[in-house]
Amino acid sequence: ETGVTQTPRHLVMGMTNKKSLKCEQHLGHNAMYWYKQSAKKPLELMFVYNFKEQTENNSVPSRFSPECPNSSHLFLHLHTLQPEDSALYLCASSQDEGGGGQPQHFGDGTRLSIL
Amino acid sequence: GQNIDQPTEMTATEGAIVQINCTYQTSGFNGLFWYQQHAGEAPTFLSYNVLDGLEEKGRFSSFLSRSKGYSYLLLKELQMKDSASYLCAGSDSNYQLIWGAGTKLIIKP
Repeated sequence: ETGVTQTPRHLVMGMTNKKSLKCEQHLGHNAMYWYKQSAKKPLELMFVYNFKEQTENNSVPSRFSPECPNSSHLFLHLHTLQPEDSALYLCASSQDEGGGGQPQHFGDGTRLSIL
Repeated sequence: GQNIDQPTEMTATEGAIVQINCTYQTSGFNGLFWYQQHAGEAPTFLSYNVLDGLEEKGRFSSFLSRSKGYSYLLLKELQMKDSASYLCAGSDSNYQLIWGAGTKLIIKP
């Protein structure tokens, strides 16, 4: 499925670097999500945007900073990350936030490694 | 608290049937989703149940019992390409998804 595109696919960075993850959806959806996926753990919801407004911040450390300039694009800005932040970061979108039965559509993720 | 439980790993034989179970505890309930995730790829939507009973989609079926807080995903006529992780997610009263850790399904010839 190419409806949700994430770049880069892989990222290796040092703890003092600044980088950004990008997500773009071509599905005309109004809600976008950032998740963290670590091995053998449930998906952790980080941020939710609905109609460009942030509606959820699940106690995420400030070294992660989201940005949603429009309904089609979502960024995750990274700064002074820790080794435990190494994980797969998934972006998803859905028609709206909430509304039972609406599936979320995921991108392939960015595999992030912190040195 | 909110919790989703599913087995960590299962093994089945090509051509056989396998049932992946999921039990859930959520604050309120607005349905249950199943997703498939191949290694290195995006999770993809398989099914959604909000009423009790069985929903069939080709080789895959999903069952829900709201009174028991229980669901299962049934895969028939297993193919090698069905080797993947299967994620169970419950929708709570705020329509937030509570995710299980996933069940890795290994298909052997």
